[in-house]
Parts: sequence; C-alpha cells; structure tokens
Amino acid sequence: DQQVKQNSPSLSVQEGRISILNCDYTNSMFDYFLWYKKYPAEGPTFLISISSIKDKNEDGRFTVFLNKSAKHLSLHIVPSQPGDSAVYFCAASDRGTYKYIFGTGTRLKVLA
Amino acid sequence: DVKVTQSSRYLVKRTGEKVFLECVQDMDHENMFWYRQDPGLGLRLIYFSYDVKMKEKGDIPEGYSVSREKKERFSLILESASTNQTSMYLCASSFPTASNQPQHFGDGTRLSIL
Repeated sequence: DQQVKQNSPSLSVQEGRISILNCDYTNSMFDYFLWYKKYPAEGPTFLISISSIKDKNEDGRFTVFLNKSAKHLSLHIVPSQPGDSAVYFCAASDRGTYKYIFGTGTRLKVLA
Repeated sequence: DVKVTQSSRYLVKRTGEKVFLECVQDMDHENMFWYRQDPGLGLRLIYFSYDVKMKEKGDIPEGYSVSREKKERFSLILESASTNQTSMYLCASSFPTASNQPQHFGDGTRLSIL
C-alpha cells in the first residue's frame, strides 16, 4: 500500500520555465512533508519542508504547496536551471513517529 | 554541516556471505536509519534506531539486522546475502524530535550480490 505517491516518473522542462512536481498521500495523520533532491551517486539532500498547519512555504526558487483537503503537495521551481536536473523525492512524517514515508521519485530534466 | 559517512561506495559479495555495511555520523544525532533504494520503489525503510542499543523494524526488515553500540555508528548486517538484496543502501540520521526534523543522508553503498 503506497501511502505517498509520485505518479510522474519523469518530467522535462525548458531552462527558465517553471517545474512542477506533484505528490499525493493517503494518510491523514501525516503532519510534516519534505522534498529531497538526489543526484546520481549521491545521497538525497534535503530541499524544503512544510508543516500541515501551513499551505505554502517558500525558499528562494523553491516553493512547496500543501492542499490538505486533496491530500496533495507540489514543488514549484522557478526559474528552472540545468543544475536542477535530478530525482526529486517527496516524504511524509507520521505524527508521533520517527519515520518518513518516501514516494518513488520523479526524475526532472531541465533542458538548456 | 552534517556529515553521514558510509564506509563503502561499492561492494561486491557472494550469495550466502555475511555482509556488514557501516555508517557514521558526526552531528550527535539520536536517530539513525537504513534504507534501500530500488528503481520504481523509492526509498524503503529497513531499520531505524532512536538510541544506543535501541532499534525498530522498518517496512522491509526481513533478511537484515542492525547494531548500534555507539551513538555515532549504525551498522546494517545481511545475515546471509541473497541476490535480491542487490541494491543501493542509504544511511541517514536526524535529531530526536518525532517530526519536523529532516534526515541527512550518506552517499550510499551500491551492493551487488553475485
């Protein structure tokens, strides 16, 4: 049972345009959400997070939106740069536990 | 900056061998985690530890065990390696609060079982 889903395995975007990566979840107990970026042959790197009490969090070119009623979050990257090409994982934390549940990842390719 | 170091980047072992994967973190984190990453399956939690000598099973613990004798070190043990354990293994650590703490990852060990 996949509690965190990233339905798009890959995405291609032109440099300078907006990249939108999507993530859906099923567990209403999740209270904290994160996005990680992973380059080949490296471990995932924390990118941005959002608490369930908010609906938006912004950090430079990266913005995460949370729609609790739809159990959906998205990561917007504006403007996209070739260095953003990587695999992006969303993750959710179950309230009161130490664990994160990860999605299957979306491979973003930003074309120069 | 948090540093999570995994002892090997690449490892090749034979079926039936006992395999040890080592992970060390330098930020005094209470929590440590072992994941495996497989294509199309994302990151799946094998085991985690919230204190020295404490451990809990994750989602796929079968065929694995762990050891945490010191706070900074968390070892993953494949008791008798099998070909379906060929994977990328990722170690992570974090501070102890139940949520709102991102995990910091090592660069992974790509393990091949022949």
